[in-house]
Formats: sequence, structure tokens, C-alpha cells
Amino acid sequence: GENVEQHPSTLSVQEGDSAVIKCTYSDSASNYFPWYKQELGKRPQLIIDIRSNVGEKKDQRIAVTLNKTAKHFSLHITETQPEDSAVYFCAASWGGTASKLTFGTGTRLQVTL
Amino acid sequence: DGGITQSPKYLFRKEGQNVTLSCEQNLNHDAMYWYRQDPGQGLRLIYYSQIVNDFQKGDIAEGYSVSREKKESFPLTVTSAQKNPTAFYLCATGYGGRGYTFGSGTRLTVV
Repeated sequence: GENVEQHPSTLSVQEGDSAVIKCTYSDSASNYFPWYKQELGKRPQLIIDIRSNVGEKKDQRIAVTLNKTAKHFSLHITETQPEDSAVYFCAASWGGTASKLTFGTGTRLQVTL
Repeated sequence: DGGITQSPKYLFRKEGQNVTLSCEQNLNHDAMYWYRQDPGQGLRLIYYSQIVNDFQKGDIAEGYSVSREKKESFPLTVTSAQKNPTAFYLCATGYGGRGYTFGSGTRLTVV
């Protein structure tokens, strides 16, 4: 089955700096890669996703890049703000956007003032 | 909860007891999922269902059971065979184009 590795497990940046979280996946058939943000005690929320026919996608301060050859994808957050502090999860699936997702172990992002 | 209701929010289980976690959705989504979340281990798939009256085991199904008698409902039973059930349980639904929508979760504690 699919295996997703995520790094780093914790990340601390100063407000205004950029943050990058990286994930690798094992199954070359995977074609859908979402990112979720989970604030303390709350449910994960989808923040951005990318499909295998696209190399990069942006949404305001958030961007995701995908390298299918290397089987890795990354989340980039620019101009970080304190409200960006949360746990971020990457995930991958092969059967389309409603198929079962395999999640990474999460990255705890702390944005300091 | 964005159309997905999980209950109860907190649940306490005694040794040897079966407990059932509820997940109800009004989003008309076909697919439903149960994940377990432990600190530092991300989300691990317990069971999933793509259609009514059908479900499949995920990566950590041992000690759990589910049913899918209605499209709207996908309850999870944590049986006494699950030796370490203390965790945060998340139910999710899936629909083409937007990935998962999660419920607000149930925190289960063994007492």
C-alpha cells in the first residue's frame, strides 16, 4: 500500500518568514495530494490540493508543488502569521478525490512574533 | 460541523466494554471513513465505505467494527478486543473535487 513520509515533524519560524513542509510518497499510481491544517483540538481542514497533472498550485500565501518523477510534494507558506500556527498533514491517494487517503505524520508549525 | 456530526464529543470506556461512536452526514456523500489519531502518528485508517451495505478494512481494523445500513450513517464500534483504544477518532466523508470533509471528532479514553 501507499506510504507517505513527512518532514520536518516540528518547524518554528518568525512571523513574516516562509515555511516549507515536504512529503514523499511510495506509490507511483497516486494522483491526488491534499494538505490539511489542524488547529489544537479541532478537526483537520483542507487548505489546498493538487492533482498529478499539475506541477504547482497557488492560493494566496499558500502554494503546493509536485514532482512526480521524484515522488515528492511540498507545501509553501509565505509571509507567515501567528494564525498559521497549527499541525499540517499531507496525504496521497490513487483513486481520485473521494478515495481513501494515506496521511503523513504531521508537521507542527509554530510562528513566533 | 459542516454537515458531519460526530457524537459524543468525549467518551469513557471501561475495560472489557464495547462502545459505539456515531457519525452522521447530510452532505449526500457516498464515501465515509474512520480514522484514528494518536500524537505523533498522524491519521490512520480504520474502516471505510464507498457505498451503502459495503465497507472495507483499513490499516488498523483489528478490534473495531462498522456498519453502513444508511447512506447518512457510519457508526464505529470499539470492541473489547481493541487493547489500546484511547485516541481521537475522526469520521470523514468524501466527494469528487474537494477531498475529505471531517467531523469534529470523538475523544475516547479508557478508565
